[in-house]
Amino acid sequence: EPEVTQTPSHQVTQMGQEVILRCVPISNHLYFYWYRQILGQKVEFLVSFYNNEISEKSEIFDDQFSVERPDGSNFTLKIRSTKLEDSAMYFCASSEDGVNYGYTFGSGTRLTVV
Amino acid sequence: SQQGEEDPQALSIQEGENATMNCSYKTSINNLQWYRQNSGRGLVHLILIRSNEREKHSGRLRVTLDTSKKSSSLLITASRAADTASYFCATDPFSNDYKLSFGAGTTVTVRA
Repeated sequence: EPEVTQTPSHQVTQMGQEVILRCVPISNHLYFYWYRQILGQKVEFLVSFYNNEISEKSEIFDDQFSVERPDGSNFTLKIRSTKLEDSAMYFCASSEDGVNYGYTFGSGTRLTVV
Repeated sequence: SQQGEEDPQALSIQEGENATMNCSYKTSINNLQWYRQNSGRGLVHLILIRSNEREKHSGRLRVTLDTSKKSSSLLITASRAADTASYFCATDPFSNDYKLSFGAGTTVTVRA
């Protein structure tokens, strides 16, 4: 069964450093998403991406965050200057049409900011 | 807010019993989805029910949707130890938004 692949599975970074989280969505999917889950809390929407541009972003997705689809397969989330409160599990997801099919989530990247 | 809210927060049952959890939401939706998350792992899509559907089955899972009450239920029949996980409902709002809103989840423990 097709999978969404995320790398790395775990990243530890110093506060203030830049991190790039990588995702390979399912090849025929058109909608891509980043969500995050702080330990013990709800899964929160960060950003959706369609047709090579951001469709929607949440209040969490401030100027420190950016997304790219640099080569037609990878989908990346960059955090420019990490803060302690960015520590969370980050999930990438993709969907065939965003409406009629469920999302396929990756296994997540656990980001720890120290 | 569109977020679904699950009830109960936690559920402990014996293997073989049924588990029922509920989800309530606030505004109109295109569809409602249920996901499972094993501890520390990713979210696995279980079932999607559209706003014009009232009931859907998938294996041992049964989902109902009552749009007049803005609520949904997930029933897992004949539970197994492997069903131990957190279960989340997620709403896809009836708008041009391209996002899911997740509830806080129900943690289900199935005792052998």
